[in-house]
Amino acid sequence: AQSVTQLGSHVSVSEGALVLLRCNYSSSVPPYLFWYVQYPNQGLQLLLKYTSAATLVKGINGFEAEFKKSETSFHLTKPSAHMSDAAEYFCAVLTVDSNYQLIWGAGTKLIIKP
Amino acid sequence: EAQVTQNPRYLITVTGKKLTVTCSQNMNHEYMSWYRQDPGLGLRQIYYSMNVEVTDKGDVPEGYKVSRKEKRNFPLILESPSPNQTSLYFCASGRDRAYNEQFFGPGTRLTVL
Repeated sequence: AQSVTQLGSHVSVSEGALVLLRCNYSSSVPPYLFWYVQYPNQGLQLLLKYTSAATLVKGINGFEAEFKKSETSFHLTKPSAHMSDAAEYFCAVLTVDSNYQLIWGAGTKLIIKP
Repeated sequence: EAQVTQNPRYLITVTGKKLTVTCSQNMNHEYMSWYRQDPGLGLRQIYYSMNVEVTDKGDVPEGYKVSRKEKRNFPLILESPSPNQTSLYFCASGRDRAYNEQFFGPGTRLTVL
């Protein structure tokens, strides 16, 4: 069965520092991969998605993620953190084996230190 | 403005008292779904609907009902709420099952005493 693991329920970085949020998935078939962001007291919104085109995917707000098949990873990065990036980030995977339903990670709360 | 609306946003109720959480979208999306979000568990899908009159169970359907009589509306019904259904609920919609972006409502925080 598919699963998604997000390493670290909380990640803290200083403003201006690199943001790295880790996501590993398990799937025996090619996956579609997504990152969603949830700002405080709001619903989720799509940051970016990988659907078998370019392995480096650029999203909104300066975020990007790289699909690495050999490592079954889809880590999210941003070169320079901003206070407004403080939110919870969710990785999700979708495959034919999941009946095309999104399988979600547990989420990582990003904390930005001034 | 394209959006998914949910009502109520906050609800405190007692065990056994039937309740309905409404969800409506104005984007003419065929696909709609309900999730619950609990700390450390991420999002878990309760039910989804591929189109009008077509609904199916997600991962945690027990204790919930849904209906899809109109394309825009997808209410979540708790016939006899229990404390373990205390959670944050999200409705989402999309053009299709999941390939395309899912648009989420603002959430409904439910407390069952």
